[in-house]
Amino acid sequence: NAGVMQNPRHLVRRRGQEARLRCSPMKGHSHVYWYRQLPEEGLKFMVYLQKENIIDESGMPKERFSAEFPKEGPSILRIQQVVRGDSAAYFCASSSLTSSIAYNEQFFGPGTRLTVL
Amino acid sequence: QQQVKQSPQSLIVQKGGISIINCAYENTAFDYFPWYQQFPGKGPALLIAIRPDVSEKKEGRFTISFNKSAKQFSLHIMDSQPGDSATYFCAASFNKFYFGSGTKLNVKP
Repeated sequence: NAGVMQNPRHLVRRRGQEARLRCSPMKGHSHVYWYRQLPEEGLKFMVYLQKENIIDESGMPKERFSAEFPKEGPSILRIQQVVRGDSAAYFCASSSLTSSIAYNEQFFGPGTRLTVL
Repeated sequence: QQQVKQSPQSLIVQKGGISIINCAYENTAFDYFPWYQQFPGKGPALLIAIRPDVSEKKEGRFTISFNKSAKQFSLHIMDSQPGDSATYFCAASFNKFYFGSGTKLNVKP
């Protein structure tokens, strides 16, 4: 049973370009979460999605960042017009539909390390 | 406002010793408290978790102690091994997860 998959593992972009990060949740999981981790820091919640719905995007920057989780295919975190401050590791986690919101165990992917030149 | 405060930031322990990492929270609505272990270049992996209706949970060499009245919980690693060297994150959850800032553990052989 494959775990959470993320690609690419490393992504280099120049300032002003777009970054697209993909996350395939564990089989049977329909809840996806995105986190950002700066070097030597903890994980900061960005957005929580279910299939075709954004449930909580309170951690997303208001501009340039968007996320989706379509009915088919992976979840996408999109960063437009990247700036150097966007350089970080972006982690996706998934949990199963049968878990209650309060007790959901989240399983993390290996992360995408974004470097903005 | 930091929802979960974790200490220490870094910890050095001799092989065979006990590693102790502490976390404190403010929001009494939190009802799930996991600990994650992260190796360099990898994603966090769930290590052990506790719910507030118990005061202690043990899995192998890892124990969570939970003090509801003090709003604190801690991770104890008994007989620490060099392979335990990693960064440890506590978290608290109510609808979404709030993570501590992490503790970098170095177990010296």
